[in-house]
Amino acid sequence: DTGVSQNPRHKITKRGQNVTFRCDPISEHNRLYWYRQTLGQGPEFLTYFQNEAQLEKSRLLSDRFSAERPKGSFSTLEIQRTEQGDSAMYLCASSSPSGRGSYEQYFGPGTRLTVT
Amino acid sequence: AQSVSQHNHHVILSEAASLELGCNYSYGGTVNLFWYVQYPGQHLQLLLKYFSGDPLVKGIKGFEAEFIKSKFSFNLRKPSVQWSDTAEYFCAVNRDSNSGYALNFGKGTSLLVTP
Repeated sequence: DTGVSQNPRHKITKRGQNVTFRCDPISEHNRLYWYRQTLGQGPEFLTYFQNEAQLEKSRLLSDRFSAERPKGSFSTLEIQRTEQGDSAMYLCASSSPSGRGSYEQYFGPGTRLTVT
Repeated sequence: AQSVSQHNHHVILSEAASLELGCNYSYGGTVNLFWYVQYPGQHLQLLLKYFSGDPLVKGIKGFEAEFIKSKFSFNLRKPSVQWSDTAEYFCAVNRDSNSGYALNFGKGTSLLVTP
């Protein structure tokens, strides 16, 4: 078990550019979540996948954001036409059902995005 | 709407002092509660969790938390903190099944333990 990995760890981009982040979950986990964390705040839910299906998207996920999880393995989060307000830490987490039907989540190190 | 409130945003303690961090949630149904910790430069790690049963749960590194249903609270405690406990602490509750039980986090409490 190598844990959840995310790449890149840091990304600096100019406003208006597109960026893509990758998340590799723990291999046997069927659920994958994306969160965004800004300074002084806790992580905020963006979207989640069960296997390859994207089942829920937060209102925080504007039309410029798109996420995929082909084949139910790794996931990508793309932001088009980045804005300075997109600057944040983007966190990925994965989980699988526990005995009580609840989902304990394991987090990756995050990708820190800075939009200049 | 479901929310999580952490009352202490910044806490400074001396080593060996006792710690209690407050967490309240607003949700009337069955909840699963978590405390996560983020050490400087590291990713979020689970400290402890409550699903059901004994309302006093013990986690890693000597931390414990007590679920008080009548107060909608899940406070984190440690009898004697160490310098290595300096970190950001987040309380979280599972959202509903529509979001795959994604987590709803509080804003976090930054703990600084001084020697």
